[in-house]
Amino acid sequence: AQTVTQSQPEMSVQEAETVTLSCTYDTSENNYYLFWYKQPPSRQMILVIRQEAYKQQNATENRFSVNFQKAAKSFSLKISDSQLGDTAMYFCAFGKAAGNKLTFGGGTRVLVKP
Amino acid sequence: GAVVSQHPSWVICKSGTSVKIECRSLDFQATTMFWYRQFPKQSLMLMATSNEGSKATYEQGVEKDKFLINHASLTLSTLTVTSAHPEDSSFYICSARRGQGAGEQYFGPGTRLTVT
Repeated sequence: AQTVTQSQPEMSVQEAETVTLSCTYDTSENNYYLFWYKQPPSRQMILVIRQEAYKQQNATENRFSVNFQKAAKSFSLKISDSQLGDTAMYFCAFGKAAGNKLTFGGGTRVLVKP
Repeated sequence: GAVVSQHPSWVICKSGTSVKIECRSLDFQATTMFWYRQFPKQSLMLMATSNEGSKATYEQGVEKDKFLINHASLTLSTLTVTSAHPEDSSFYICSARRGQGAGEQYFGPGTRLTVT
């Protein structure tokens, strides 16, 4: 079974600064996907970024980028130029390439301060 | 594209009654939908995987007779909480898979269930 661990329950960052969220996972699979989802106060889950394990290049989406270390089973998310609208819960998730399910980490609450 | 809706967004019911929650993929066909439960300030817990035209697959510890799932079409899955009790009060979220692989999952806005 897969496990996903987010060791930071809560983080705060000043507007326009950078924050990095950590995520580690445990799996015996070789092909899989990793995701970061954002859940703002509205509670709508929004896909932030996705990484395929077979790709060495780290995924980026505008101000969001990841540092994927496959050997270390680490998948951190960097939010650059933080905006007030980035305030939310962030969940790291794991999915097998050939499977259906997503396994979620416990979440990190990010508060962006003006 | 890839919009998933849920109805209702909030429901209050009396203990012992049943309540149905609908999940619809509005602009794509979803052969697989998922139902999650989320307690306050906690992560999402997968309850079951719903496949169109077949029985749902429940996660360990989830009572299939209490949480009835029907995936009658490629755009609609329903979750019925039967004989609801206050401990069933929670936030229920569905997601729908578009295409193949774990990546193409899109989430509904969730339904808050309160059982009095």
